[in-house]
Order: sequence, then C-alpha cells, then structure tokens
Amino acid sequence: GQNIDQPTEMTATEGAIVQINCTYQTSGFNGLFWYQQHAGEAPTFLSYNVLDGLEEKGRFSSFLSRSKGYSYLLLKELQMKDSASYLCAVLHNAGNMLTFGGGTRLMVKP
Amino acid sequence: ETGVTQTPRHLVMGMTNKKSLKCEQHLGHNAMYWYKQSAKKPLELMFVYSLEERVENNSVPSRFSPECPNSSHLFLHLHTLQPEDSALYLCASSQDRGNQPQHFGDGTRLSIL
Repeated sequence: GQNIDQPTEMTATEGAIVQINCTYQTSGFNGLFWYQQHAGEAPTFLSYNVLDGLEEKGRFSSFLSRSKGYSYLLLKELQMKDSASYLCAVLHNAGNMLTFGGGTRLMVKP
Repeated sequence: ETGVTQTPRHLVMGMTNKKSLKCEQHLGHNAMYWYKQSAKKPLELMFVYSLEERVENNSVPSRFSPECPNSSHLFLHLHTLQPEDSALYLCASSQDRGNQPQHFGDGTRLSIL
C-alpha cells in the first residue's frame, strides 16, 4: 500500500522562505509530483521529481531522496498569492497511478 | 483557463435524483481521470480512462457510473447518492498515463440533501 504524510498547516511571513515536507512509503516508486491548489480552484502542476536531488524552477524548488522516502517543496521570497494548499503525490508503477497526500495549507502573512 | 472544463460548477441534488457531471478537455490528451476531494481527506482517484477505455476502477460504488464517449469528453453519472458523497469532484487529463502532469478542471461541488 501507499502512505503519504505532510503537515496539515503551515504559516510563514511574506518575503521569507518556507519548506514543506512530504514523506512516503510505497512499493514501485515512479516519481513524485507537487501541485498547488488555491481555495475553490483546480490543482495546478508545480514539479515532478524521479531522480534524487534538487530541481529549481524560479521561486519554487523541489527535492527528492528516494532512499529516505522524502521530498520537500521550497518556496522562496514568499508572496501573499502563495497562500494555498500544496499537494504531494506519489506515482507508483502499478498501473501508473497517483496517490495524493492530504495537502499542506500554507498561510502567508504580511 | 486550465484547458479542462467541468460543468456544472455546483450541484445540489436529492438522494433519489439522477444527474450527470461533464468534463471536456481541449488539450489533445489521451488519458482522463475522475477524483473525489472531501473535506480534510486526500484526493481519491475514482476512475481512469486511457484512449476511451476504462483502465482503472478504484472500488467505487456502483451509484457512480463513468462514461467516456471520446478522448475529449468524460461523464460521471450519479444515481441514488448518499449524504457522504457530498464532495468536490475533479476531472483531470494527461497526455498519457504515467509520469505526465495531470491538468485539472475546477471541479463540481456536489451537495446531497
């Protein structure tokens, strides 16, 4: 089976850096996605990691350690519009299915 | 505009009603998905279609019946739903199944009276 854990809520200050962690246990790992979801809107794709290491994309970076079953999403220079839920999702080999974590609700304060 | 359009955005229905949710994607993708998002629970995969063939049915009750007439359209037919079925139903599409990012619609907020 699959088990994905991420914090339920986080609060950070505008202009700061925040790291959202995700740990997972799965058989047949085939990559990890991060999505952003604003309240009442569709989830939107942020990143995909399948190899160990850090992938940087503008203010957002995503890290993966396959041996540790661990990923994080790093958000720099936080803006108020970054207030949203961040969803970690693991792709597993069996049928290439995505399993989502419960999401981390990030609140950015002035 | 995400390229995936869902209608209606909101739906209120009684337990004995029959209704359908519609999803249309304008991205030329070959795979489409239905997810259920309940409050304080992870997104749950319900159905997957690839090239109009259902390839995954995640133990969903038979009161939910999907239909994929072509690669651009996906329906979820609802019949005799229960109050616990109240949730946000999200449609998504991807180029193919696998490590392609899924593009989501804004969802249909369903309330069962």
